[in-house]
Amino acid sequence: QSALTQPPSVSGSPGQSVTISCTGTSSDIGTYNRVSWYQQSPGTAPKLIIYEVTHRPSGVPDRFSGSKSGNTASLTISGLQAEDEADYYCSSYSSSGSYLFATGTKVTVL
Amino acid sequence: QVQLQQSGPGLVKPSQTLSLTCAISGDSVSSNSVTWNWIRQSPSGGLEWLGRTYYRSKWYNEYALSVKSRITINPDTSKNQFSLHLNSVTPGDTAVYYCARNNNWSFDSWGQGILVTVSS
Repeated sequence: QSALTQPPSVSGSPGQSVTISCTGTSSDIGTYNRVSWYQQSPGTAPKLIIYEVTHRPSGVPDRFSGSKSGNTASLTISGLQAEDEADYYCSSYSSSGSYLFATGTKVTVL
Repeated sequence: QVQLQQSGPGLVKPSQTLSLTCAISGDSVSSNSVTWNWIRQSPSGGLEWLGRTYYRSKWYNEYALSVKSRITINPDTSKNQFSLHLNSVTPGDTAVYYCARNNNWSFDSWGQGILVTVSS
């Protein structure tokens, strides 16, 4: 199965909002509310920041939010901070029983 | 707090078998509510789910189609860990390999990752 699709990069100034899209198909994002988002800094393992489309794990700042419409999920970072500069990946469960990941988006804080 | 500690060689020769282990603390490999997974990240950065093992009255293993013919994931209840074996490796299998717990359809705990290079 094909990976999910994200833009390679997004950028914003401190305090601004940025949104990362994650496009799949009716076999994954379009059918299941099993979308998650991960933040990864260089040399570290990915960290879960959103699960089941909209839920934040304990300890994740509320400036991170998730949503979904049709076959596309989105991650919004409101009030961008310097520490948010990292790579972000979305993932979805698929009808094949496997998990798909996207190619990742590099967020740059200007 | 769940912690996953990975171990295994960082260099494997082509055509041989890649073997890694993930030791679990703070949870049980026999848990009825989570699954235990292997994920790899290529040098270009993309993440790829490889497979999982889990217990629901009996053991189940499920694998990604891309590696299904070459992969085995085994639980070890005596040591509370699980392992990855990927045979007939090629340089295309060079990646950072992670173990991860899946809970609520997401990967909420990750190992530290091991870079495995396939080279003669």
